[in-house]
Amino acid sequence: EAQVTQNPRYLITVTGKKLTVTCSQNMNHEYMSWYRQDPGLGLRQIYYSMNVEVTDKGDVPEGYKVSRKEKRNFPLILESPSPNQTSLYFCASSLSPAVYNEQFFGPGTRLTVL
Amino acid sequence: GNSVTQMEGPVTLSEEAFLTINCTYTATGYPSLFWYVQYPGEGLQLLLKATKADDKGSNKGFEATYRKETTSFHLEKGSVQVSDSAVYFCALSKESNDMRFGAGTRLTVKP
Repeated sequence: EAQVTQNPRYLITVTGKKLTVTCSQNMNHEYMSWYRQDPGLGLRQIYYSMNVEVTDKGDVPEGYKVSRKEKRNFPLILESPSPNQTSLYFCASSLSPAVYNEQFFGPGTRLTVL
Repeated sequence: GNSVTQMEGPVTLSEEAFLTINCTYTATGYPSLFWYVQYPGEGLQLLLKATKADDKGSNKGFEATYRKETTSFHLEKGSVQVSDSAVYFCALSKESNDMRFGAGTRLTVKP
């Protein structure tokens, strides 16, 4: 089944404790992206990747890191989480970044930073 | 910059009622326009899209027409069902890697 998977689905952590949210897609998509969803703000892009070893900042990159060592995986790293990073996070992928392409979303990771 | 504005929710309707969720956009040129739906506990999934002016996207009884003159892409459905309860996001994409989402509209359909 074609899908985007994320782990964990739920995470409660404390300020300053490094964490990684994994994202994997099995559709051989070139383009992957991370978003955060906050009430009243819709989805905002954190980072994106056009292909292996090619990543760039989105609208809200502060406090996050990413890597793209393999085409299928695009982990999101929070080196020192803070309470303002409490949010619902989505990973997405598409065949290419072309403007007309559909993005496929993972099921989301709900993160709470105490 | 490019942006999307959609009507605030929540929207509550009875089953078989007519649905309209308004969406307007700001962008130069001709962006691609999308409606995504998010069911409880799930990620977003594409509902429909339109890539040029006057195109009509449709899926599962939902429709939206790309209106360049009014910069709008309103979502409509003639008869909603309880299973349509979800959050609906309007989105646009003008440059590669620049998809902009609206704030989302929560729809609840009551039997």
